[in-house]
Parts: sequence; structure tokens; C-alpha cells
Amino acid sequence: GAVVSQHPSWVICKSGTSVKIECRSLDFQATTMFWYRQFPKQSLMLMATSNEGSKATYEQGVEKDKFLINHASLTLSTLTVTSAHPEDSSFYICSAVPVGQGSETQYFGPGTRLLVL
Amino acid sequence: GNSVTQMEGPVTLSEEAFLTINCTYTATGYPSLFWYVQYPGEGLQLLLKATKADDKGSNKGFEATYRKETTSFHLEKGSVQVSDSAVYFCALSGSGGSYIPTFGRGTSLIVHP
Repeated sequence: GAVVSQHPSWVICKSGTSVKIECRSLDFQATTMFWYRQFPKQSLMLMATSNEGSKATYEQGVEKDKFLINHASLTLSTLTVTSAHPEDSSFYICSAVPVGQGSETQYFGPGTRLLVL
Repeated sequence: GNSVTQMEGPVTLSEEAFLTINCTYTATGYPSLFWYVQYPGEGLQLLLKATKADDKGSNKGFEATYRKETTSFHLEKGSVQVSDSAVYFCALSGSGGSYIPTFGRGTSLIVHP
């Protein structure tokens, strides 16, 4: 149980295009999902907290107009990288917190590798 | 603020060797401590956790003890296998009322046959 999927698993796009990444909790509902970014050989950096039915909360330094987050249902959150540039190339990981549990319990997706040419 | 410090890698071992990956933390209050594992090309998986001082978390032969006096949570395994090759992240949460995890930089483990 407690499986989180991400789609796509990897994507290559041209500079200036937008890319949407989906995060789904497959066998549980999640009111809260988190989006992280991971640079090579570095730790995860929290980008934003996504709450179902409300606006996402972004961490300091993360551009909300560039990284659009939508949490439309209890099983789906999407991250859209708008007008992507090569510096946005990274590994994006989401996690989901089951309803009724605290944020201490997070189940991670397998990640999406984005390469912007 | 909260922080987690891990030993730098990569750690390279032969199969069946003993493993220790050091982790120390700085936090207010009494956080919970975690070890996550990330296999190549995959997301993080929770390996083990401990929620209070002197607790020992264990899973798949790995173990770590929550040492509040030394603010440490070192990961150990008595006999590593090639399949243990991965990146290991130490993390904490629940400090200062926030349950969003703070991660260390990760330690890469390479196990040779």
C-alpha cells in the first residue's frame, strides 16, 4: 500500500516550452502533497506544499509563477514548469501525506527527470 | 534552524563488510529521525525511523539508534550486499512544530562483489 506515482518519469523539452508533471496517490487519499527538487549529488529541496482545494505554499526563493501547482483532487497534484529553461533541468520528486496523518508520514513518488535543451 | 549533517561519500565497501554512515542533527525540541534510501533513478523510500530518544529503528538488516546526548542517528549494517548500493539520506521532522522533513545531503554507498 501507500504507492505514489509520477508521470512522466522523464521528459526532454525545448527551452521556452511548459512541462506538466503529475503526482498521484494510487491507493490512498492525500490532502497534502509536497514537491521537491533534487540537484545532482545534493539533497532534496522543498519547493512547495500543495493542499487540496487551496493555493500552494511556496518556499522562499521559489517562483510561484514559474512553478505552477494545482491540487485538484485528493489523489492528484500537478506541477507545471512554465517557460522552461536549461537551469530548470533537475529531478523533481513529489510526496503525499495520507488523510488523517501528519506531515511526518510522507510517501514519495519515483521522481521525474526533466531535461531542458 | 534545523539541519542534518551526513558524512560525505561515496562510501565504497566490499560485499559482507560492515557499514556505518554517520548522521548528526541540530534541532529544537524532540524531532523524529529518519533514514531514506534512494536507488538509482528512483524516488526516496523510507528505510527506518525513530521517534524518541534511545529508540532503535531497524529494517532489512539496517539499524540506527536515536542518541539525543550526541544528537546522532548513525546508520549501520553488519554485512552489506551489492543490492544495498544506493544513496542514503538522513532526515528529521517534527521540530519546532513543523513536520516538513529536513534532509541531509545524502551519502552514496557503492558495494563491490
